[in-house]
Amino acid sequence: AQSVTQLGSHVSVSEGALVLLRCNYSSSVPPYLFWYVQYPNQGLQLLLKYTSAATLVKGINGFEAEFKKSETSFHLTKPSAHMSDAAEYFCAVSNAGGTSYGKLTFGQGTILTVHP
Amino acid sequence: DTAVSQTPKYLVTQMGNDKSIKCEQNLGHDTMYWYKQDSKKFLKIMFSYNNKELIINETVPNRFSPKSPDKAHLNLHINSLELGDSAVYFCASSPVVRDTQYFGPGTRLTVL
Repeated sequence: AQSVTQLGSHVSVSEGALVLLRCNYSSSVPPYLFWYVQYPNQGLQLLLKYTSAATLVKGINGFEAEFKKSETSFHLTKPSAHMSDAAEYFCAVSNAGGTSYGKLTFGQGTILTVHP
Repeated sequence: DTAVSQTPKYLVTQMGNDKSIKCEQNLGHDTMYWYKQDSKKFLKIMFSYNNKELIINETVPNRFSPKSPDKAHLNLHINSLELGDSAVYFCASSPVVRDTQYFGPGTRLTVL
């Protein structure tokens, strides 16, 4: 079985500050990992993904995430927050096989608030 | 040139009614999905089709029936709607199974 835990349902930062959103996963096989962003009343947009290549993954809008197998983590960071980054962020893991091959299991989401 | 589109965007209906949500993707993808996002924003997969064949069927009530007339379409039909069905339903597609999934804008279903 696979699962995702996002630590902190709400994160608040000042504009220009570092953004750190935490994600830990559980998977019995090497995972594919994803970060999605959801703006109010919109669908999910892919920020970045890890698929067993480079452990440091760069995404859109200046975000990046590092896959750490020893810590089973895939934390999302951005050096300098912008007001437009305010949204809800979801970490997800993809199953490698079995009867639910390809299914995305999502974390509970982290709402990012950016203060001026 | 919308990649994944859903209709309708909003759906308000009475308990006991039957309703359908349509999804279309113009990306040429082989795999399509339905997800349910509840009031706490928790996202959970319901179904997945690959080349019109059902490959994922989570523990969803029989009242929910997906239909894929072709690779570009995956519709969701819900019979005998209940209050607990109120949620946002997202359609998604991916080039192949386990690849990046691209999401539609969602359909907000409200059952009164």
